[in-house]
Amino acid sequence: DGGITQSPKYLFRKEGQNVTLSCEQNLNHDAMYWYRQDPGQGLRLIYYSQIVNDFQKGDIAEGYSVSREKKESFPLTVTSAQKNPTAFYLCASSTTRLTSNQPQHFGDGTRLSIL
Amino acid sequence: GQQLNQSPQSMFIQEGEDVSMNCTSSSIFNTWLWYKQEPGEGPVLLIALYKAGELTSNGRLTAQFGITRKDSFLNISASIPSDVGIYFCAGFGGSQGNLIFGKGTKLSVKP
Repeated sequence: DGGITQSPKYLFRKEGQNVTLSCEQNLNHDAMYWYRQDPGQGLRLIYYSQIVNDFQKGDIAEGYSVSREKKESFPLTVTSAQKNPTAFYLCASSTTRLTSNQPQHFGDGTRLSIL
Repeated sequence: GQQLNQSPQSMFIQEGEDVSMNCTSSSIFNTWLWYKQEPGEGPVLLIALYKAGELTSNGRLTAQFGITRKDSFLNISASIPSDVGIYFCAGFGGSQGNLIFGKGTKLSVKP
């Protein structure tokens, strides 16, 4: 089945640690996205990538980093600079971006908590 | 930045009742999307709207793209317990044309 796979489902981070969240898609989508979701809030865009080896900051990129070395993969690193990392992180993908307003399809998320 | 105002914030209804929720914006959107999210899962696309005035159905769900292009509503008819979840509206906008989300409407259905 085609889809978006996020792992792990739950992740715990110690103070001062960097952690990396995985996102893989087999939909052959060009564009991929990372969102952060906090209780009672809508989704907020962290980073997005329109094509391999290219990515752009979203609205809340500080304390996060990404890479896009392969079309299928868009890992997100939550660095120690992110002072409030506890949240539900969602990865999404779409066929293209901007030119055709294609809907984004989401993975099942990773819940990150601080120990 | 652009914001979507989604209402109501939450709804508690009896099974079998109809539901209506809406989103408004101060600026124009070219596309409106409606998603449903269940606990611990990612949002699932329900309906996509691309034209002002467009009315689209997906089973018991009906959504409309407002003619002013600044609003959209979602109706659910004859609700059932599995309709429980958080419903989000979203539209493409912002300085970079990114997808902007409302804060969601949490639906609870009493059997």
